[in-house]
Amino acid sequence: NAGVTQTPKFQVLKTGQSMTLQCAQDMNHNSMYWYRQDPGMGLRLIYYSASEGTTDKGEVPNGYNVSRLNKREFSLRLESAAPSQTSVYFCASREGGSYGYTFGSGTRLTVV
Amino acid sequence: AQSVTQLDSHVSVSEGTPVLLRCNYSSSYSPSLFWYVQHPNKGLQLLLKYTSAATLVKGINGFEAEFKKSETSFHLTKPSAHMSDAAEYFCVLTQGQAGTALIFGKGTTLSVSS
Repeated sequence: NAGVTQTPKFQVLKTGQSMTLQCAQDMNHNSMYWYRQDPGMGLRLIYYSASEGTTDKGEVPNGYNVSRLNKREFSLRLESAAPSQTSVYFCASREGGSYGYTFGSGTRLTVV
Repeated sequence: AQSVTQLDSHVSVSEGTPVLLRCNYSSSYSPSLFWYVQHPNKGLQLLLKYTSAATLVKGINGFEAEFKKSETSFHLTKPSAHMSDAAEYFCVLTQGQAGTALIFGKGTTLSVSS
């Protein structure tokens, strides 16, 4: 099925551990995004990639890094996880010039 | 700066009664506006979108929203609530073309009682 695939769906980390959240889309979309969702805060933009080879910071980039590996894949890395990074993470993609955003099903991350 | 304000964090209605979820926006340019719904432990589903065409937008599941530039509002309505409408709803803003991200409101939780 066409869409945005996120892995893993669930993860528990210890403080200080690192991990990479993977996101891949098969719709040939130019733009990709990483959001985090916290209760009462809506979704906040972490990083985005307007096109292959470019990345930019969003509203809450501290503690994260991203890589736009190719047009399909956009990964989010936590180098040293902190409890404040406990959240649900959503990846999204968008076709350039359109308003059709597609979201992945989310990764629920707990940092203890 | 662009922003979205959802005026109610929680709305409770009875099944069969109208639903009104309020959203105001702030934007320097002509905005595009969306409503998304998220059922518990699920992903985000697009309900409807406004992209400078008709100001009254019809979406899925009987929802509609009206863009009012003079009031900078984009309220979501439904004539008759159903139990399955219980979820969290997000009003979302974007501007411009390629690469522009979505700006989310903080969400409104809709509860529906029988």
